[in-house]
Amino acid sequence: GAVVSQHPSRVICKSGTSVKIECRSLDFQATTMFWYRQFPKQSLMLMATSNEGSKATYEQGVEKDKFLINHASLTLSTLTVTSAHPEDSSFYICSARGARGLAGGMYEQYFGPGTRLTVT
Amino acid sequence: DAKTTQPPSMDCAEGRAANLPCNHSTISGNEYVYWYRQIHSQGPQYIIHGLKNNETNEMASLIITEDRKSSTLILPHATLRDTAVYYCIVRVLNSGNTPLVFGKGTRLSVIA
Repeated sequence: GAVVSQHPSRVICKSGTSVKIECRSLDFQATTMFWYRQFPKQSLMLMATSNEGSKATYEQGVEKDKFLINHASLTLSTLTVTSAHPEDSSFYICSARGARGLAGGMYEQYFGPGTRLTVT
Repeated sequence: DAKTTQPPSMDCAEGRAANLPCNHSTISGNEYVYWYRQIHSQGPQYIIHGLKNNETNEMASLIITEDRKSSTLILPHATLRDTAVYYCIVRVLNSGNTPLVFGKGTRLSVIA
């Protein structure tokens, strides 16, 4: 149990276009979802936190108008990178937190496999 | 900010035990020690967590010192597939919206 999926796993887009990344909790309801970004040879950096039905809370330095997050249901969150530029090329990872009683402990964070975005 | 200190890299021979240390000298009484790992180009994977007692599961063992200022993750028989970056994180259990904050971790290389 506690599986999180992301789609697509890999995407290449041209500069100036927008890209949407989906994150789904497959077998549990995710009350909170987190989006991280990871540049090569660096650690994961938190971008934003979102609760179902609420506006996302963005970390300092993350442009909310550029990285649009929608958490419309308890099993789906989307991250849209608008007007992408080469510097947005990165590995984007979502994480979902479920309810009490899941494998691994209560209120644990489960991670998706990541989406590698390349902007040309 | 990450509240843990880990060596940047370690090597381990295949089949031997891998012992990964973590210092968390400012840990609070209600904070747990969590370990995750990230294999190249994948999302982080939960390994184990504990408060003050030693813990063991099918993946690893976690040894926490009595003063809780440091801990060691033990992979008893490392395989090549255990090559990954290992992250030690301290956080309060059931901390609502508080996300996991990742430090730089330890890059473990298991060598044949």
